[in-house]
This record gives sequence, structure tokens and C-alpha cells, in this order.
Amino acid sequence: DAKTTQPNSMESNEEEPVHLPCNHSTISGTDYIHWYRQLPSQGPEYVIHGLTSNVNNRMASLAIAEDRKSSTLILHRATLRDAAVYYCILRDDGETSGSRLTFGEGTQLTVNP
Amino acid sequence: DTGVSQDPRHKITKRGQNVTFRCDPISEHNRLYWYRQTLGQGPEFLTYFQNEAQLEKSRLLSDRFSAERPKGSFSTLEIQRTEQGDSAMYLCASSSGHLRADTQYFGPGTRLTVL
Repeated sequence: DAKTTQPNSMESNEEEPVHLPCNHSTISGTDYIHWYRQLPSQGPEYVIHGLTSNVNNRMASLAIAEDRKSSTLILHRATLRDAAVYYCILRDDGETSGSRLTFGEGTQLTVNP
Repeated sequence: DTGVSQDPRHKITKRGQNVTFRCDPISEHNRLYWYRQTLGQGPEFLTYFQNEAQLEKSRLLSDRFSAERPKGSFSTLEIQRTEQGDSAMYLCASSSGHLRADTQYFGPGTRLTVL
């Protein structure tokens, strides 16, 4: 799996937007960009994914650079419940997809009240 | 549907003992995955099943580890002759298998402590 690079930690204030960056300069044409997050003492949970176009869902938005070598997860209004480790993961849409997720160390997001 | 469940949530054992964990996936999910997570690290893939077939195993899965999914529903992960280095959170996930890069849904994990 192609490698991703994320900052170790970020801080935000409650009710402010948060932009979590991810670099993936070696991304291939069939790699989807997935984001998962892990709240304290819980298993990871899916946040959003995309291939080329920007994506929105009820949890977040995903902005993908035109060259696809970087992406940004956007939380529009951070809440205390968004404090978690956020993982940016590339997944191949080839024959072996549907198998492993390769997690890095992720970004620890702290939300201040 | 209550999501992926794992049992037990916590297990403390002595070195050399065998332990077995159970995972119940979301009903009708064809794919089931096991991961291991140590403190401060992201989860690491161990193995995955498509129905009852074990299709992929990580090099992390030593001979002391065995996983089964006998009827394509629940799965068990057994660790024989536990070592202190086995102490970790063991996470199970499932996915529908209908899409290639489909979403994985994780359980709460089983925290293993080997004394």
C-alpha cells in the first residue's frame, strides 16, 4: 500500500472548523483515499472516502488536490466528541482490495472547549 | 443491528497460557478482519476471511496464532503459549463484501494483558 504522511497532532477550538492534512505523493491511479477515526477506548470508525472529486457527508468533507498527492479532511464545526486519532489510508481498488487497511500513526486531534 | 461485537472485552492471562477471543460481525457481512493495536500505534492487519475462507494472513500472525470462521458467521482468534509481547488490543472488523474498497466496521476490541 502507498504511504501517507500526517502531522502527529493538531489542536482546535470547539465550534471552529478543522482541516486535517494528509500527504500521499506516491498514490496510484486506482487508490481510494479513506479516512477513519478512533475515539478513545473504541475501535476505528469510517469517516469518508473519495477518489478524485471532493466528497461531503454528514460527518465531514474531503478535499482532494488536483494531482491527488494530498488531501484534507474538513470538520466544519468541531465538537468535543470529535477528539480522536484520525487516520488517512490509501486503498487499492484492484483485485486485492477488500482486504487490509494499512494504518499509520494518524493525527491526534485535541478539541478545546 | 448492534454492530460488531467482541468477547471478552478484557483478558488478563499468565505467560504460556492459551487464550481465545470471539468476534460476531454485522449480520450478512461476508468479510471479517482481525487487527492488533499496541499503545500509541495504529492497528496492524492480522488476517481476513471471505465467508469461511481465510484469504490473507499477515506475517505478524505467527504459528501460535490461529483464526477460524467455521460457518462464515462468527470468528475466533486463538493465541497459544502467550508471551508478554502479545499484550495488545485485538480488533475485529467486518464489511459487506459488495464493493471492492468497502467500508470496514470495527468492534470495540479485546484488550489482552499477558503477565
